[in-house]
Amino acid sequence: EVQLVESGGGLVQPGGSLRLSCAASGFTFSNVWMTWVRQAPGKGLEWVGHVKSKSEGGTANYAAPVKGRFTISRDDSKNTLNLQMNSLKTEDTAIYYCMAEFGGSGYWGQGTLVTVSS
Amino acid sequence: QSALTQPASVSGSPGQSITISCTGSSSDVGAYNYVSWYQQHPGKAPKLMIFDVSNRPSGVSNRFSGSKSGNTASLTISGLQAEDEADYYCSSYTTSSTWVFGGGTKLTVL
Repeated sequence: EVQLVESGGGLVQPGGSLRLSCAASGFTFSNVWMTWVRQAPGKGLEWVGHVKSKSEGGTANYAAPVKGRFTISRDDSKNTLNLQMNSLKTEDTAIYYCMAEFGGSGYWGQGTLVTVSS
Repeated sequence: QSALTQPASVSGSPGQSITISCTGSSSDVGAYNYVSWYQQHPGKAPKLMIFDVSNRPSGVSNRFSGSKSGNTASLTISGLQAEDEADYYCSSYTTSSTWVFGGGTKLTVL
C-alpha cells in the first residue's frame, strides 16, 4: 500500500525557516517525480514545486511565489522528500501536501499545517 | 504563471450531468495533453479523478470523463450523485516545466 506521510509543520515567525519532510512507502520512490502542493485556509490548491527522479536528472522546478526561498530535495536512500522553506511570509500559511502520480494513479499525504505569524 | 480559470460554482440535480470548464492558454492547457482533475471533499486530501486529459485512474467511476479542445479542458460528471458534491480542481503542465492549478469549482448536488 502506497503511503505518504508529511511532518515538520508548525508555527513560525515571518522571516523564519522550516523544513518539511514526506516519508514514502509502498512504491519504488527513486523512480517517481515527487511534488509539493499547498492550500491556504479556505483557498484553492497551489502547486509549489516538484523534483524529478534521479534517472531523469533529479532537478527541481518551483512556482514563482516560492522560487529562491524554497528548496525541494529527495533522499532516495531513505525514501524521503524534503521541503526547505526560508524567508517565510504570512502568505505561506497553508496545509502542505506531498503528492506522487505514477502507474495511472495519484497519491496524496494527509498534509501538514504551516502557520507563519508573529 | 496565472491560475487556470474555472467557474466558481456549478450545480445539478441527482441523475443529471454537469460540465466544469478549465481555461488556460497555449502555454499550458493548449500545449500538452497533461491536464488532470482532482476532487476534494471538505477536510480531506485531494483525489485524482482524471489524468492526461481523459484517463481515469483505476477505481474512479466511469461517470467521470475528461476532454480538451484548444486551451480549454472539461470535466463531465454524468448521473450526478450526492457524494459527488465537492470541490474540483484542474491542473496542467506548462511550457515552463511547472504545473498550474485552476481556482477550483464548488459542485453542489441539489
